[in-house]
Amino acid sequence: QVQLRQSGPGLVKPSQTLSLTCDISGDSVSSNSVAWNWIRQSPSRGLEWLARTYYRSKWSNDYAESLKSRITINPDTSKNQFSLQLNSVIPEDTAVYYCVRGTNSWLDYWGQGTLVTVSS
Amino acid sequence: DIQMTQSPSSLSASVGDRVTITCRASQSISRYLGWYQQKPGEAPKLLISDASTLQSGVPSRFSGTGSGTDFTLTISSLQPEDFATYYCQQSVDSPRLTFGGGTKVEI
Repeated sequence: QVQLRQSGPGLVKPSQTLSLTCDISGDSVSSNSVAWNWIRQSPSRGLEWLARTYYRSKWSNDYAESLKSRITINPDTSKNQFSLQLNSVIPEDTAVYYCVRGTNSWLDYWGQGTLVTVSS
Repeated sequence: DIQMTQSPSSLSASVGDRVTITCRASQSISRYLGWYQQKPGEAPKLLISDASTLQSGVPSRFSGTGSGTDFTLTISSLQPEDFATYYCQQSVDSPRLTFGGGTKVEI
């Protein structure tokens, strides 16, 4: 059974960096048949896809156009996890962040969610 | 980005009712449409992929139809555990996945 366990701070100050990690069990971050995503959810923006990383003979990353200048996703094969960094956060980045496995672009396993509040 | 519009945004129903939720895409997405159920405090759960393929373990009272721009999620006989918010999601424009705004099914 695939399980995703998220960790990271729930409060980030404006202009600082949001960092979250997702630990994978029951699957491999290096699997060549799935992708590993970050999704966020807020009342104002709804569900929003942020980024994905996947391995198909080599690593590839994709990012939401609106966040491309501020966001980084990284796989860590030694720990079987992947991470999200969002730089220069603003209050509008306040949301519940989810790590999610994607199979053929269907989001079939989700982490428990982390409420991240951007506030001083 | 492809816009996904759901209707209604909320509905009231009773146990045993037949419930229908509609999702419309801003352009044709063939059958690249999924449905998710989300309960308060939980992550969304994938119910249906490819417009009509029921995921393992999902009760058969859930069904999905449609192609192109118009899609429907039907719950044939609403059960107490079905009170939740439902979202559609397109995957034709992967990785730029987009979601509908949600339909809250209330008692």
